[in-house]
Amino acid sequence: KAGVTQTPRYLIKTRGQQVTLSCSPISGHRSVSWYQQTPGQGLQFLFEYFSETQRNKGNFPGRFSGRQFSNSRSEMNVSTLELGDSALYLCASSLVLSGMEGYTFGSGTRLTVV
Amino acid sequence: KNEVEQSPQNLTAQEGEFITINCSYSVGISALHWLQQHPGGGIVSLFMLSSGKKKHGRLIATINIQEKHSSLHITASHPRDSAVYICAVIFGNEKLTFGTGTRLTIIP
Repeated sequence: KAGVTQTPRYLIKTRGQQVTLSCSPISGHRSVSWYQQTPGQGLQFLFEYFSETQRNKGNFPGRFSGRQFSNSRSEMNVSTLELGDSALYLCASSLVLSGMEGYTFGSGTRLTVV
Repeated sequence: KNEVEQSPQNLTAQEGEFITINCSYSVGISALHWLQQHPGGGIVSLFMLSSGKKKHGRLIATINIQEKHSSLHITASHPRDSAVYICAVIFGNEKLTFGTGTRLTIIP
């Protein structure tokens, strides 16, 4: 079966711009969660969506937002990009909320802000 | 404060050696995950534990709820096991919290 698909794989943006990342979960999975990975902070939880509703949010500024569509696909948006937003952004899908049946991760989107 | 600590940070071993990676957490959890991340960034979920022990091939994961501690063991290690291993837990706030990872290098 198809895995979790993240697009694009690589992205270069300029400070002040905005960016939208996409995540298509495994068919039948209703939860999508997003994570940021940087060399300094490691992996950090951004937010989780389940049945089109944000169920949980990490400690990130309001510039980071997301949404989930009726087909469970999710998008993440970062507005007014800063250099520190350069990171690998990973999404994971799971059958139920909070990954209590396990997670499947996508390959990530590597965002570089210049 | 909800914290997750892993040890060691880096581990280099010869092919065939038995490997142990440790994870400790600060307060009670709903579940603990062991993840593997290869160069390039892709993450594979190895185990999810809420109690006891799980085994998959050469990998064994254990958790001691009372001690707030989990271990990941690799038997008969192989160079293809070289990766970063990450422990992640779900605390009561239902947010996945990650350890800093253990970089494992297996030398042929």
